[in-house]
Amino acid sequence: AQKITQTQPGMFVQEKEAVTLDCTYDTSDQSYGLFWYKQPSSGEMIFLIYQGSYDEQNATEGRYSLNFQKARKSANLVISASQLGDSAMYFCAMREGQYKLIFGTGTRLQVFP
Amino acid sequence: DSGVTQTPKHLITATGQRVTLRCSPRSGDLSVYWYQQSLDQGLQFLIQYYNGEERAKGNILERFSAQQFPDLHSELNLSSLELGDSALYFCASSATGQGKSPLHFGNGTRLTVT
Repeated sequence: AQKITQTQPGMFVQEKEAVTLDCTYDTSDQSYGLFWYKQPSSGEMIFLIYQGSYDEQNATEGRYSLNFQKARKSANLVISASQLGDSAMYFCAMREGQYKLIFGTGTRLQVFP
Repeated sequence: DSGVTQTPKHLITATGQRVTLRCSPRSGDLSVYWYQQSLDQGLQFLIQYYNGEERAKGNILERFSAQQFPDLHSELNLSSLELGDSALYFCASSATGQGKSPLHFGNGTRLTVT
């Protein structure tokens, strides 16, 4: 069965620094997609970035980038120049069977001044 | 604003009761998903519909049922409620329900069973 693992329950980073949130996955499919979501304390789930298994380049969206290492089955989220508003839970997810998304357990990021 | 609307925002009910959660997907999205988020279980996939048809099913209890209507809105029915059903229930929608199409989540319905 496919699985997403986020081993960091919590991370701290100082404002303006970069931070990497880890995500590893397990799948036997050749074609799959990886997603990152942000959940602030207000509760909504916000889509951040997508990486396809056949994409040759790492995905980037503004301050978010994905360090995709296919051989290692990892898809780490890099947030550059952290802001106080980045404090939230971050979830890695993988599309399973082309349809549903399965989620990791999340990493709580706290940005301090 | 994701464009996905969920009602109600909060729901408090007693054990043994039945409730209905409602979801309107983003304009143009054909696929609707339901997820349950609890503290000890994380985000659990319940069920997915695409253009009115059930497409995928997760660990949805028999006491729970859902449907997607011709106007594409969806309802999740929870019956014979137990204390353990207390959770945040998310609805999400996507354009195609597959490939790189991301899920866009509503703000959730927080269900408290007392």
